[in-house]
Amino acid sequence: EAQVTQNPRYLITVTGKKLTVTCSQNMNHEYMSWYRQDPGLGLRQIYYSMNVEVTDKGDVPEGYKVSRKEKRNFPLILESPSPNQTSLYFCASSWGSGYGYTFGSGTRLTVV
Amino acid sequence: EDQVTQSPEALRLQEGESSSLNCSYTVSGLRGLFWYRQDPGKGPEFLFTLYSAGEEKEKERLKATLTKKESFLHITAPKPEDSATYLCAVQGGAYKYIFGTGTRLKVLA
Repeated sequence: EAQVTQNPRYLITVTGKKLTVTCSQNMNHEYMSWYRQDPGLGLRQIYYSMNVEVTDKGDVPEGYKVSRKEKRNFPLILESPSPNQTSLYFCASSWGSGYGYTFGSGTRLTVV
Repeated sequence: EDQVTQSPEALRLQEGESSSLNCSYTVSGLRGLFWYRQDPGKGPEFLFTLYSAGEEKEKERLKATLTKKESFLHITAPKPEDSATYLCAVQGGAYKYIFGTGTRLKVLA
C-alpha cells in the first residue's frame, strides 16, 4: 500500500529534551515536506526537500532541523523543544512541483 | 505576497442541499491549485489539482473549478459522510505550497 509513515503518533516531552520524528514513504517520491497544523493558522510548511541532500526552509523553520540522506526518509529533529512547538505535525510527499501530496497520519507533540 | 483565503469558515448543510466552498488566492506564477479533504485526527487526503483558469475536475459529488483569482468546490446533494474540513492550497514558486485555513463542512442527515 502506498503510504507515508510517521512515528510516533503521540509524544509528550519536556522542554529542552531533543527528539526526532521519523517519516518514511514507499512511493519513490522526489519531494518531501514537513508541516505543522495549529488551530486558526492552518497548515504551515516547516521544511521541504526536493531530493536527497537537498533541503530548504519553509515558512516556520525556527527550532527545527531536517535531513534527507535517503530518498524514502525525512526525519524532523527538534534539538531543544519549547512549549510553543506543541502542535500537530504532518509529513507529506509528492512526485514534485504541480503534484498533490500524500500525507502521513500525523504526530501530536506536546512539550511541557 | 502569496496568499490563500477560504470561505466560509464553517458550513452546515442538510443532506441533499447543494452548496459551494470558495478559495481565493494570490500567487505569482500558479503551478497548481489543490483541494484536500481532512477528517478529524487524520492527515489531509488529496482530491484534485487544477492548473489553469477554466479547468474543472469531478469526483463523485464534488466538482472543482478554477478562475484566475479563485476556485470553487461544488458539493452536489451531499451526504453525511461528506462531513470534513476541506483545504485549498496553491503552489507558486518552485515547491512552495501555501494552504488556506479550511472550511469545516457538516452535513446533517
